[in-house]
Amino acid sequence: DAKTTQPTSMDCAEGRAANLPCNHSTISGNEYVYWYRQIHSQGPQYIIHGLKNNETNEMASLIITEDRKSSTLILPHATLRDTAVYYCIVSNNAGNMLTFGGGTRLMVKP
Amino acid sequence: GAVVSQHPSRVICKSGTSVKIECRSLDFQATTMFWYRQFPKQSLMLMATSNEGSKATYEQGVEKDKFLINHASLTLSTLTVTSAHPEDSSFYICSARRGAAQYTEAFFGQGTRLTVV
Repeated sequence: DAKTTQPTSMDCAEGRAANLPCNHSTISGNEYVYWYRQIHSQGPQYIIHGLKNNETNEMASLIITEDRKSSTLILPHATLRDTAVYYCIVSNNAGNMLTFGGGTRLMVKP
Repeated sequence: GAVVSQHPSRVICKSGTSVKIECRSLDFQATTMFWYRQFPKQSLMLMATSNEGSKATYEQGVEKDKFLINHASLTLSTLTVTSAHPEDSSFYICSARRGAAQYTEAFFGQGTRLTVV
């Protein structure tokens, strides 16, 4: 699976949009971009995934650049409960396990 | 969304004893489940891949005789930490994919906090 690079930590004000970047410059054509988050002492929670088109669900939006070398996860109105470590993972899936990097520790502040 | 349930959520055991952790897919069948371990302030590290009806596949450095995995049905995988020692204290997490298609997402259990005293 391709390697991803994320900032170690980010702060966001409550109610504002949180934009979490991820670089995956070595991504290959059949690899998807997945985002998970892990709140302290819990298992990771699936957020969203995509291949090349932008995606949106009830939790977040995923913006993938045209060359697919980077993406941004957008939490439109961050709340204190969104404080967590966010993992960007690139995988060709096919039943394979996910390889977790260091992730971004997002702190949402009042 | 799909639910993966893990039990127990927290366990304390004495050194030398064995502990079994269960991972269940509640609303889907999972031919493959994954077991991860996470130490404080670190990321998840894959330990093994659990395959229904066959032997598990272990990652390099993970002792198969110490971490016994059984995947006896399409909805249940168990991880048994045998002869536990304090260094086995960690957060153990399982995951399962709902289907084998390339785009399917994985769902994770709540995790099990193991403390060996």
